[in-house]
Amino acid sequence: DVKVTQSSRYLVKRTGEKVFLECVQDMDHENMFWYRQDPGLGLRLIYFSYDVKMKEKGDIPEGYSVSREKKERFSLILESASTNQTSMYLCASRTPGYGEQFFGPGTRLTVL
Amino acid sequence: GQQLNQSPQSMFIQEGEDVSMNCTSSSIFNTWLWYKQDPGEGPVLLIALYKAGELTSNGRLTAQFGITRKDSFLNISASIPSDVGIYFCAGPSNNAGNMLTFGGGTRLMVKP
Repeated sequence: DVKVTQSSRYLVKRTGEKVFLECVQDMDHENMFWYRQDPGLGLRLIYFSYDVKMKEKGDIPEGYSVSREKKERFSLILESASTNQTSMYLCASRTPGYGEQFFGPGTRLTVL
Repeated sequence: GQQLNQSPQSMFIQEGEDVSMNCTSSSIFNTWLWYKQDPGEGPVLLIALYKAGELTSNGRLTAQFGITRKDSFLNISASIPSDVGIYFCAGPSNNAGNMLTFGGGTRLMVKP
């Protein structure tokens, strides 16, 4: 069964903290994605990784960085969290081409 | 970047009613995807459309790829309480097709 897991379902952090969101997939997918979801705005792509150590900026990369040291794991890093980064964060993975993206359950991050 | 306009933003209907939602784009898409997000979960693919004019069904769901390739429709017949959730349209946002642009979502609420 296809599985994308995210390290936390809920997270509360303080302004200025460094935040790590972890995503693991067990499908041997090359491509992995980080999105943020805000009401009325749908899902917006933050970063995309097409293979280990490879990454590409999405639509809203400012304030975020990513790390992909192993194929199954893709990390999203908020170097210095700010209140406007309070959001739902979704990770996804897929095989290259037009294949379906499989999503994790999401991490709801609140920055105080 | 490309934008997908999805409407309506929300719907509150009676169980048993039919539902219709649509998605429009200012640019041509070669693929249209419809996802559903259950409360507290990540989105799951419902239907994928690959050809202009294509009409595809998945149980009580029917989706169509518009002839102009700039729109798509999703219909749900005889709604039931478990249809509650957010429905997203999506399409490839780059030529390689490995990135997706999502619409803002339609939040569906069903009254038993």
